[in-house]
Amino acid sequence: AQSVTQLGSHVSVSEGALVLLRCNYSSSVPPYLFWYVQYPNQGLQLLLKYTSAATLVKGINGFEAEFKKSETSFHLTKPSAHMSDAAEYFCAVRGRGSGYSTLTFGKGTMLLVSP
Amino acid sequence: DTEVTQTPKHLVMGMTNKKSLKCEQHMGHRAMYWYKQKAKKPPELMFVYSYEKLSINESVPSRFSPECPNSSLLNLHLHALQPEDSALYLCASSPAGSTNTEAFFGQGTRLTVV
Repeated sequence: AQSVTQLGSHVSVSEGALVLLRCNYSSSVPPYLFWYVQYPNQGLQLLLKYTSAATLVKGINGFEAEFKKSETSFHLTKPSAHMSDAAEYFCAVRGRGSGYSTLTFGKGTMLLVSP
Repeated sequence: DTEVTQTPKHLVMGMTNKKSLKCEQHMGHRAMYWYKQKAKKPPELMFVYSYEKLSINESVPSRFSPECPNSSLLNLHLHALQPEDSALYLCASSPAGSTNTEAFFGQGTRLTVV
């Protein structure tokens, strides 16, 4: 079964600092990977997705992620944090061979941004 | 229109009540999903509909009854719920038959069972 592991339930950064949220995947086949963001009391919004077209994926709000097969990782980064980036971030995986987009989520990482 | 709309946003119900959650999308997606999200936890898949037919039921108790009356609508009927069923219920949709597209999520219904 495919799964993702997010390292760190909470990450704290200062405004303007680099954001790094870690995600490692476990899959016997090349996975489709996603990062979603969830603001308090809201649904999930897609930040970016990896579908094997390119290993460096750029998303919305200045976020990007790099797929590294050798490290089974798909870490999310942003060069400079804004206060508005404070939210819960979920890494998710779905497998190939399915006609649906069912997702298995990591446990999530809460990003805290201080002034 | 890239929205998935869920109603109501908040719902409080007693354990003997019957209520329904509604989800609507007009993106032409033929796969629709219900997820349950407990506080400080990731979403967990409950049901998947593909072309208006139930394709996946993740061993959800029968007090939750999904329905997909047409390609744009997805309902979740609730009956005799327990307090531990209190959660954020998220609806999502995606193109069916596609292997590399994401799911679009609604804003969720915050359910409280008293």
